[in-house]
Order: sequence, then C-alpha cells, then structure tokens
Amino acid sequence: GQNIDQPTEMTATEGAIVQINCTYQTSGFNGLFWYQQHAGEAPTFLSYNVLDGLEEKGRFSSFLSRSKGYSYLLLKELQMKDSASYLCAVMDSNYQLIWGAGTKLIIKP
Amino acid sequence: IAGITQAPTSQILAAGRRMTLRCTQDMRHNAMYWYRQDLGLGLRLIHYSNTAGTTGKGEVPDGYSVSRANTDDFPLTLASAVPSQTSVYFCASSDSGTGSINEQFFGPGTRLTVL
Repeated sequence: GQNIDQPTEMTATEGAIVQINCTYQTSGFNGLFWYQQHAGEAPTFLSYNVLDGLEEKGRFSSFLSRSKGYSYLLLKELQMKDSASYLCAVMDSNYQLIWGAGTKLIIKP
Repeated sequence: IAGITQAPTSQILAAGRRMTLRCTQDMRHNAMYWYRQDLGLGLRLIHYSNTAGTTGKGEVPDGYSVSRANTDDFPLTLASAVPSQTSVYFCASSDSGTGSINEQFFGPGTRLTVL
C-alpha cells in the first residue's frame, strides 16, 4: 500500500529552527510537495521537490532523498505565524497526490 | 472572483437528505479534485477530473458523485447523506499541462455536519 509518515505534533521556540520529517512509500514518484495549513483554513503550497537535494525559498527549505524515500521541511527564524499544520504529499505514478496526516507545529514565545 | 470558491461555507444536514457542494475556479485549470479532511487523517481524494467531460474515482468515492460539464465548475453530490460523511470538504484545481509541477490550489472548504 501507499503510505506517508510524518510526526503528529512538534513544538519549537520563536526564533529557532525546526525540521519536519516525512517518509514515504508510494507506487511511483512524480514529486513531493509541502503545504502549510492554518487552523480552519485551506492548505497552501510551500515547496516542491522532484530531484534529490535542497530547495531553498526564504526562511523555508525542503530536502529530498528519493533513494531513502525521505524528505524534510526546514523552517528557520521561526515566527508565531508559523504555527500551523505542515502537510507532506507525494505524487504517485497516476499523478495523484497521496497525503500524510500532517504535522501540527506549535511555536512558543 | 479570483482563484477557487466553494459554497456553502458550512452546512448542517439531516441524514438521508441530498446535498450538492459547489466548486468554481477561474484559473482555467484543466484538473479538479474533491477531498475530505478528517481529524488525524490526511486529505483523502473522493473524485477527480483531469479535464472537462471526464471524471474518475479517488480513494473514498462511495456515497458521492461528481460531474464536470465545463472547465470552471465541479460540483460534488451526496445522494443520501450519512453521519460518516461529516467532514471538511476541500475542492482543488491544478494546471496539469506540460512544464507544470501540477501544484494544487485549494478552495476555502465546506464544513458539513450530518445528523
């Protein structure tokens, strides 16, 4: 079966750095996405990786290792507004997204 | 309108009633999707449409139907609602053309409660 695993909840301090991991087993691979979802709102796109390595976008970076079925999202200089759920999703061989359950990130002052 | 809209925002429905959730996008995206999101679970695909006139079943299609008469609209119908269909429903769209990463854009969601 297809499976995406990520931690249920993480806590970090304002101004710090946090890494959210995602491991996956899917039927085929056509890219990995990270989305941010604030409570009561819709998911919004953060990043996309299809080749191994690090993609940097401002305070957020995403890393992919296809051989290990592993990705992480790195958030730097954490701000209170970063408190949200972070969703990892893999596009499978049918070009459908398979979603993880999300990681709820709590930022403390 | 800009982006993707859904209606209603929320709804309380008696079991056994028929309900249609509406979704409209103005981005001319060819692909559209319906998901449900339940606490502790990832987004689960209900139905999708790769282009106007075609639809397909996702992971959890039972009890739901869709139509795609044109590019912009993708309504989701619950023929006879049951309490297990209580959920938050998200509509999404993407440009799945050549050169696109197929990023999905989401509507604001419909919170549905079936009693």
